[in-house]
Amino acid sequence: GENVEQHPSTLSVQEGDSAVIKCTYSDSASNYFPWYKQELGKRPQLIIDIRSNVGEKKDQRIAVTLNKTAKHFSLHITETQPEDSAVYFCAASNPLDTGRRALTFGSGTRLQVQP
Amino acid sequence: NAGVMQNPRHLVRRRGQEARLRCSPMKGHSHVYWYRQLPEEGLKFMVYLQKENIIDESGMPKERFSAEFPKEGPSILRIQQVVRGDSAAYFCASSPPTGIEQFFGPGTRLTVL
Repeated sequence: GENVEQHPSTLSVQEGDSAVIKCTYSDSASNYFPWYKQELGKRPQLIIDIRSNVGEKKDQRIAVTLNKTAKHFSLHITETQPEDSAVYFCAASNPLDTGRRALTFGSGTRLQVQP
Repeated sequence: NAGVMQNPRHLVRRRGQEARLRCSPMKGHSHVYWYRQLPEEGLKFMVYLQKENIIDESGMPKERFSAEFPKEGPSILRIQQVVRGDSAAYFCASSPPTGIEQFFGPGTRLTVL
């Protein structure tokens, strides 16, 4: 089955700096890579996703890059703000295969933005 | 346009009792997924259902756990004879017929005494 590894486990940045979180996956059939933000005691919230037919996607201060050959993808947050502080999870799946639609999650990165 | 609904939000059970967790998907969504999150850990897939069908239960423990998504009503995750190790947050997610994006409910936090 799929295995997703995520680094770093914790990340502390100053407000206004950039933050980068990296994930690798093992199953070359995976073609959908979402990122979720989870605040303490809250639900995981989908913030951005990328599909394997593109290499990069951007939404305001958030961007995701995908390298299919190396099987890794990254989340980039620019101009970080204190409200970006949360745990971020990457995930992988293959929605085109009903047996592989379940998301396999990374272990999470706790991001702390210092004011 | 209500999001994914789960109830109860908190559930306390004593060892040996049964726990029933309910999930109502977003309007227009016909796919439901259940995930478990242990304290300070990531989310682990348990089971994927469509109406009246279990599609993938590869993450479900073989004993004590069962799930259903009837033609009418919410999806239910049932845990029989709960043990302390079942204490966790149980999240339900739903996706549209295209089956791509998954949107999560607020979770049910189960505490087993």
